[in-house]
Amino acid sequence: AQTVTQSQPEMSVQEAETVTLSCTYDTSESDYYLFWYKQPPSRQMILVIRQEAYKQQNATENRFSVNFQKAAKSFSLKISDSQLGDAAMYFCALGGVGYTGGFKTIFGAGTRLFVKA
Amino acid sequence: SQTIHQWPATLVQPVGSPLSLECTVEGTSNPNLYWYRQAAGRGLQLLFYSVGIGQISSEVPQNLSASRPQDRQFILSSKKLLLSDSGFYLCAWSVGPSPVLFGPGTRLTVL
Repeated sequence: AQTVTQSQPEMSVQEAETVTLSCTYDTSESDYYLFWYKQPPSRQMILVIRQEAYKQQNATENRFSVNFQKAAKSFSLKISDSQLGDAAMYFCALGGVGYTGGFKTIFGAGTRLFVKA
Repeated sequence: SQTIHQWPATLVQPVGSPLSLECTVEGTSNPNLYWYRQAAGRGLQLLFYSVGIGQISSEVPQNLSASRPQDRQFILSSKKLLLSDSGFYLCAWSVGPSPVLFGPGTRLTVL
């Protein structure tokens, strides 16, 4: 079974500082995808960044970057120069082939990020 | 561009009543469709996903069911709601390995 674990229920960061959110996963698939989503108070889910498992290079999107360690099944998100608008719930997600050949995406429990002014 | 609609946005229902939540996707064809539930302050639980018309995979045994009568329509139903069915229900779609994109959600309160 595929699982996603986010061991940090809450994190806090000072504005302009850097924070890293942790995620570990488990899958028997050799080809899969990893995502980080942000859910602000509006509850709209927003894709932050994605990583294809076959790519060794870590994905980056402006102030957001990941540290993808395939052998360790670890996928952490680093937010640089944190801004007040980064305060949200962050979900790590794993996408892979589902039981009937489709593509199934499952999510971790989330990490709530607080940004202090 | 692709858009995803969910309705209703908010619903308050008594215990034992039926449920029907609808989701439609525009601007894409043959998407994978998903129903997730998010309890207050919790993560997303995958309830059902569908790779095509009439094809439903259930992830969690419960009193909910899903149907996909058309390519871009996904319906979540229940014959008798329980208190534990309260939560925020999110419909989502993807095409192959692309990231899932979410609808605005339905907040369900069962009293």
